[in-house]
Amino acid sequence: DAGITQSPRHKVTETGTPVTLRCHQTENHRYMYWYRQDPGHGLRLIHYSYGVKDTDKGEVSDGYSVSRSKTEDFLLTLESATSSQTSVYFCAISPGQDEQYFGPGTRLTVT
Amino acid sequence: AQRVTQPEKLLSVFKGAPVELKCNYSYSGSPELFWYVQYSRQRLQLLLRHISRESIKGFTADLNKGETSFHLKKPFAQEEDSAMYYCALLGGATNKLIFGTGTLLAVQP
Repeated sequence: DAGITQSPRHKVTETGTPVTLRCHQTENHRYMYWYRQDPGHGLRLIHYSYGVKDTDKGEVSDGYSVSRSKTEDFLLTLESATSSQTSVYFCAISPGQDEQYFGPGTRLTVT
Repeated sequence: AQRVTQPEKLLSVFKGAPVELKCNYSYSGSPELFWYVQYSRQRLQLLLRHISRESIKGFTADLNKGETSFHLKKPFAQEEDSAMYYCALLGGATNKLIFGTGTLLAVQP
């Protein structure tokens, strides 16, 4: 597996609380991505980064923010979690116009 | 608009039967297409890409620009092929992957 980890791997939180998910890579790849995976929707892009402090919105960015202060870390924050954000979250990395390598996923449950 | 369509949510076949997982795309430029696979409790991994034109684990996929399709095929399914399969389109200069909704392949013994 590519050097990409996610933490935490599982989290249960209450509606209205802030949540931060971390993606860490050791490959020094330029691009990093956050997706959510839901039945019937496949994978949908939340946000992505094309360099340190360079980020952009994806398809389903409402309610999420990201930060990338160094190459190896890409943080996804839910400012005020809602039940609709219960999902499995995947981070991915890529060196460029190439395949993406995925992390193991974080299962988030918002009660 | 860029879009990937996988019409089948579930495809169930018997071991040894041929498999075809359908994928159609909508893209104005020259597409770069991928198939990703997710085995139970594992992370997504690349199965194959159209530009490499290779066969991985017995699977092949041919890009048909006329039909805007990139169907995944295998002549004889194995039980270990059971997994979720995603077709994906690389969206130009933004380097964003656009995924289909996925097809769950279940190979029965």
